[in-house]
Amino acid sequence: QVQLVESGGGVVQPGRSLRLSCAAAGFTFSRYAMHWVRQAPGKGLEWVGAVSHDGSDKHYADSVKGRFTISRDNSKNTLYVQMNSLRAEDTAVYYCARDFEEYTYGEGFRYWGQGTLVTVSS
Amino acid sequence: QSALTQPASVSGSPGQSITISCTGTSSDVGVYNYVSWYQQHPGKAPKLMIYDVSNRPSGVSNRFSGSKSGNTASLTISGLQAEDEGDYYCSSYTTSSTLVFGGGTKLTVL
Repeated sequence: QVQLVESGGGVVQPGRSLRLSCAAAGFTFSRYAMHWVRQAPGKGLEWVGAVSHDGSDKHYADSVKGRFTISRDNSKNTLYVQMNSLRAEDTAVYYCARDFEEYTYGEGFRYWGQGTLVTVSS
Repeated sequence: QSALTQPASVSGSPGQSITISCTGTSSDVGVYNYVSWYQQHPGKAPKLMIYDVSNRPSGVSNRFSGSKSGNTASLTISGLQAEDEGDYYCSSYTTSSTLVFGGGTKLTVL
C-alpha cells in the first residue's frame, strides 16, 4: 500500500536551516507530482509547494518563495524540502502528499504522510 | 494567494444534512474543476473526501457529495453520523499553478 514517511523535523533557531525528507513506497514515485503542506499549531492547512513528477517544474507559496526549495530523487523515491532563513511563523507540522493521478498536477492529495513537526524558536 | 473562504463552523444532528461552502475567485474555484475536500480529525493527517469538484475516491461514503457554481464550491454531507465530526478543508488549483486551501470548517454533530 502507499506509504509516505516524513522525517527531519525538530527544533531550530530563527534564521537557521533545516531539510525535511519524505520517503515514498507502494507506488511508482517517478510518475507523480508531490507536494508539501503545513499546519501551524491550532491552525488550518497551508500549501507550501510542489514538484512535478520528473523534478523539472516547481511551484511555491508566496510565504516561502525564495527561502524554501523543493526537490526529489526519483532513484531513491524521496521528496525533500530545504528550508532556509526559518522564522517563528514557519513552526508547523509539515506533511508530504501525493497528487491524485499519474502525470497530473493539482487535482488533489490522495495520500498524505503522518507529518513531522518543525519548531522555530530561540 | 488568498485563502478560500469557508464558514468557521457548522453543526447538525445525526441523520440531517449539512452543506459547507467554499468561496474563491475567478483565479481559482471559478476557472478550474480542480476543487477537492478534506476531512481531518484531531492529531491525524487530512483525508481526501472529494476531488475534481464532485468525485469520490474509492472507500469514501456516498453520503459525501460535492458541487460547484461560479466561484463557490460546496460539500454536502447527508445522513450525518457522529464519526463525521471534525475539520473540513477545501482546496483549489489556481491560475498561478499553485494550490490554495480554505480556512477550514469545524463540523459538530449535535
